Amino acid sequence: NAGVTQTPKFRILKIGQSMTLQCAQDMNHNYMYWYRQDPGMGLKLIYYSVGAGITDKGEVPNGYNVSRSTTEDFPLRLELAAPSQTSVYFCASGPLQETQYFGPGTRLLVL
Amino acid sequence: AQSVTQLDSHVSVSEGTPVLLRCNYSSSYSPSLFWYVQHPNKGLQLLLKYTSAATLVKGINGFEAEFKKSETSFHLTKPSAHMSDAAEYFCVVSGRGGADGLTFGKGTHLIIQP
Repeated sequence: NAGVTQTPKFRILKIGQSMTLQCAQDMNHNYMYWYRQDPGMGLKLIYYSVGAGITDKGEVPNGYNVSRSTTEDFPLRLELAAPSQTSVYFCASGPLQETQYFGPGTRLLVL
Repeated sequence: AQSVTQLDSHVSVSEGTPVLLRCNYSSSYSPSLFWYVQHPNKGLQLLLKYTSAATLVKGINGFEAEFKKSETSFHLTKPSAHMSDAAEYFCVVSGRGGADGLTFGKGTHLIIQP
């Protein structure tokens, strides 16, 4: 199993540009999550999904959108990138809400 | 709602000496508690979790944590530090699901002196 994979590993965006952060898992997990980690801080939940077709907002959803058309994939969309979205983004999945396996992260820099 | 407080932002110990990383929590429910480790430029790895079974929880790489309800604490310990333990450690509390999800502490940076 590859586990949780994220692409790209690193990206630089200009203000106002859009991009999609990809996340995939091959463990058939129902629960998937997107977090952001700012320097010196813990992770904050952006969006989560409890199964295909079901998504909901976390603590910091503004400026982001998600979709969950399949069990395996959970992409995160940034429509109009802002410097405040400079962060490291982690995707996680799990069979239960309490058991989460994390991907390696995507480092995003918005200039 | 729940919250987590990691009492030290940085902890420095010598190799071979004990490690203590402190965590206090608050929760309206009977919580599940976790410790995750993050090595530089890596994702997070689960060290151990408490889910209302035994109060002393053993994890990977010789780490363990004790759940103390009366003190609302879940401190992480290791008898003898190794250079490879140098990393960021996060204490995490779980709510009842949904947007409560997992609540992360701000992290403790563990430094191992040779």
